[in-house]
Amino acid sequence: DTGVSQDPRHKITKRGQNVTFRCDPISEHNRLYWYRQTLGQGPEFLTYFQNEAQLEKSRLLSDRFSAERPKGSFSTLEIQRTEQGDSAMYLCASSLGQGVDEQYFGPGTRLTVT
Amino acid sequence: QKEVEQNSGPLSVPEGAIASLNCTYSDRGSQSFFWYRQYSGKSPELIMFIYSNGDKEDGRFTAQLNKASQYVSLLIRDSQPSDSATYLCAAGTYKYIFGTGTRLKVLA
Repeated sequence: DTGVSQDPRHKITKRGQNVTFRCDPISEHNRLYWYRQTLGQGPEFLTYFQNEAQLEKSRLLSDRFSAERPKGSFSTLEIQRTEQGDSAMYLCASSLGQGVDEQYFGPGTRLTVT
Repeated sequence: QKEVEQNSGPLSVPEGAIASLNCTYSDRGSQSFFWYRQYSGKSPELIMFIYSNGDKEDGRFTAQLNKASQYVSLLIRDSQPSDSATYLCAAGTYKYIFGTGTRLKVLA
């Protein structure tokens, strides 16, 4: 059983560029979450999907951020017109979507905006 | 504003001792509680979850939950240098709020 995978692991981009990250959840997991983590902080919820439906989006998420999970399997997170404040670790997690619903994290994508 | 509070540490304990990590949460509607371990530069790794009042043991780890006091703790017995990491507490229902983590240092 493979865990959650994320690609790329590292991304350096210039301010104003668009970036897209991919997450592949654990195969039988229905829920997929995106978090952002900056140094010294815990993961901060961005959005989550139940199958292909995006059920909640954080109010902290600006319109420059968009996420999709078109077939209920992998998901993408796009950031348009990146800003230096977007520099962070972007974490994807997945869960079965039932019971205690423990979430398992992928390795993360570290974004640096220069 | 739903919050999860943790002491940032560092908490230093000698090898072989018991490390005690604490967490409080503000949302009384929280149903599930988690402890994650995070090594520097890595993603969080789930080590324990608890949803009922009382204690839950798994190997060297014991999670404790007191919903009346809105308090969660993690005990690590026989601490090893490899336990040195940041421990994140999370609380919620389907969407979890994370604390900022407690940095644990186990001294050889």
